[in-house]
Amino acid sequence: DQQVKQNSPSLSVQEGRISILNCDYTNSMFDYFLWYKKYPAEGPTFLISISSIKDKNEDGRFTVFLNKSAKHLSLHIVPSQPGDSAVYFCAATPYNNNDMRFGAGTRLTVKP
Amino acid sequence: DVKVTQSSRYLVKRTGEKVFLECVQDMDHENMFWYRQDPGLGLRLIYFSYDVKMKEKGDIPEGYSVSREKKERFSLILESASTNQTSMYLCASSPPRGSGANVLTFGAGSRLTVL
Repeated sequence: DQQVKQNSPSLSVQEGRISILNCDYTNSMFDYFLWYKKYPAEGPTFLISISSIKDKNEDGRFTVFLNKSAKHLSLHIVPSQPGDSAVYFCAATPYNNNDMRFGAGTRLTVKP
Repeated sequence: DVKVTQSSRYLVKRTGEKVFLECVQDMDHENMFWYRQDPGLGLRLIYFSYDVKMKEKGDIPEGYSVSREKKERFSLILESASTNQTSMYLCASSPPRGSGANVLTFGAGSRLTVL
């Protein structure tokens, strides 16, 4: 049973536009959430995170929004660039716990 | 620069063979993890270890075992490889509990094909 779900396997956007990647979770014990980016033939790399005490965290072009009541988070990339084309994984963990769970990933393609 | 190194990038093995996947980290991290990545399923946790000689089962430990004799090294063992273990295997490490962020640093992956 997947505790972290990314229901969109793929997303295609035009360069310069906004990319919105979504993630839902079922385990109410999760209170720390992360996004990782993965290029082909490489391991995932950490992108941005948010703890449950916040509803928004920004880092440059990347913003993560958290809606705890809906158990939903989203990653916004503005403006999208061709170099952002990758697979994005949502992950969740109880804070200060070793047990991290990942979603199935969303493949983002940014067209020039 | 922090690093997690997986010794084999590509392996081809036969059904029934014993397979060792090695992972070494140079960050002095207490925690180490093995995941497998499959299309449509994302990353699934096989085993993790929070200290030398300690191990915990993840979501899909069946058919796998692990060894952590030294802090920097975490090995994944397939005692008798089967075709359904064909996958991308990812090793990761993270700082200990209480250090704040639970950010995993991943290796580049080992793609295993079992014929």
